Amino acid sequence: EPEVTQTPSHQVTQMGQEVILRCVPISNHLYFYWYRQILGQKVEFLVSFYNNEISEKSEIFDDQFSVERPDGSNFTLKIRSTKLEDSAMYFCASSDSGLADITDTQYFGPGTRLTVL
Amino acid sequence: AQSVAQPEDQVNVAEGNPLTVKCTYSVSGNPYLFWYVQYPNRGLQFLLKYITGDNLVKGSYGFEAEFNKSQTSFHLKKPSALVSDSALYFCAVRDWGYSTLTFGKGTMLLVSP
Repeated sequence: EPEVTQTPSHQVTQMGQEVILRCVPISNHLYFYWYRQILGQKVEFLVSFYNNEISEKSEIFDDQFSVERPDGSNFTLKIRSTKLEDSAMYFCASSDSGLADITDTQYFGPGTRLTVL
Repeated sequence: AQSVAQPEDQVNVAEGNPLTVKCTYSVSGNPYLFWYVQYPNRGLQFLLKYITGDNLVKGSYGFEAEFNKSQTSFHLKKPSALVSDSALYFCAVRDWGYSTLTFGKGTMLLVSP
């Protein structure tokens, strides 16, 4: 069964450093998402991406964040200057229909745990 | 704005007994509801969804969920729990016109032998 994969599984960085989290969505999917879960809190939406542009983003997704699909398989989340409060589990998800189909299901990767020191 | 509430932080049940994990929602339009499960060191795995139609939805691993519009609830159920069902369960809602999922805070299910 196809799966969303994410690398690395755990990233430790110093405050102020840039990090790039990587995801490989399911191969025939066209819609991509990032969510995060701060320890003990809800899973929160960050951004959705389709046709090489952001389609929706939350208030969390400020200028420190960016997303990119650099090639045909990877989908990345970049945090330019990490803050302590960016420490969280970051989940990538993909789906095949997005807004075009209300029955669309998002499939999630295993997550990257980001620890900012 | 859409929201989801999972009133229980933890549910304990003995193996072989039925289980229920509760979820209530709030949306402005028709609700599109999902259940995901998270095992340790794994991502969120899709269990089932309600879009329209029959109020009882069947999903993976023997789970089912009952949609109740008047009570704005979408409780997850299983007739006979297994120890291997022990995990963190998330209810999520999607509102028409948005692709984003809004999640509840999660409920830890512990099934004892």
